[in-house]
Amino acid sequence: SQQGEEDPQALSIQEGENATMNCSYKTSINNLQWYRQNSGRGLVHLILIRSNEREKHSGRLRVTLDTSKKSSSLLITASRAADTASYFCATDVGPYNNNDMRFGAGTRLTVKP
Amino acid sequence: ETGVTQSPTHLIKTRGQQVTLRCSSQSGHNTVSWYQQALGQGPQFIFQYYREEENGRGNFPPRFSGLQFPNYSSELNVNALELDDSALYLCASSSRVWNTEAFFGQGTRLTVV
Repeated sequence: SQQGEEDPQALSIQEGENATMNCSYKTSINNLQWYRQNSGRGLVHLILIRSNEREKHSGRLRVTLDTSKKSSSLLITASRAADTASYFCATDVGPYNNNDMRFGAGTRLTVKP
Repeated sequence: ETGVTQSPTHLIKTRGQQVTLRCSSQSGHNTVSWYQQALGQGPQFIFQYYREEENGRGNFPPRFSGLQFPNYSSELNVNALELDDSALYLCASSSRVWNTEAFFGQGTRLTVV
């Protein structure tokens, strides 16, 4: 069953603007990972944040995690047309590393040139 | 580019047939997980293999089965195909070390007619 829920479902912005996507989940997690997917192809790993971390950066990406609110956000700064994709959060809830990762339905981001 | 490769990339099968999908894991990884992604949805966990044994299963019937080989590559077998089995099948490679990333292959698009 799915546990993550991304918000908004779709987001359309102009190139150069920032994009913020949110993820909420229901149960305790070991970590949370964000992925990008282009046009129904494979998932590209973006960033992993552990349950004891609050913020993490990678290039133009900034991820926050609030375990008390069971939520995470992904910020993409200075967006580019190439950032157009679907973005998913995945919560690791299983008894072993990456065992039974739960995904939401994703946020569809469109960046207009 | 991850080191996770899946084959074939596309496949068309007839209802009632059987199908085998293949995945080779990234170097250094000993765990392979399989996910099903229906159109417009997030991936759903099918099962995980570690040391050639099934290590957790999602809500999928027994006609979904798998294997892992000594080189950590894996197969997903689906018997008695149904129309609803049409989806993108993704495999994810990871290690057993806590809080390390799962990397996905490009997926196999299965169409059941």
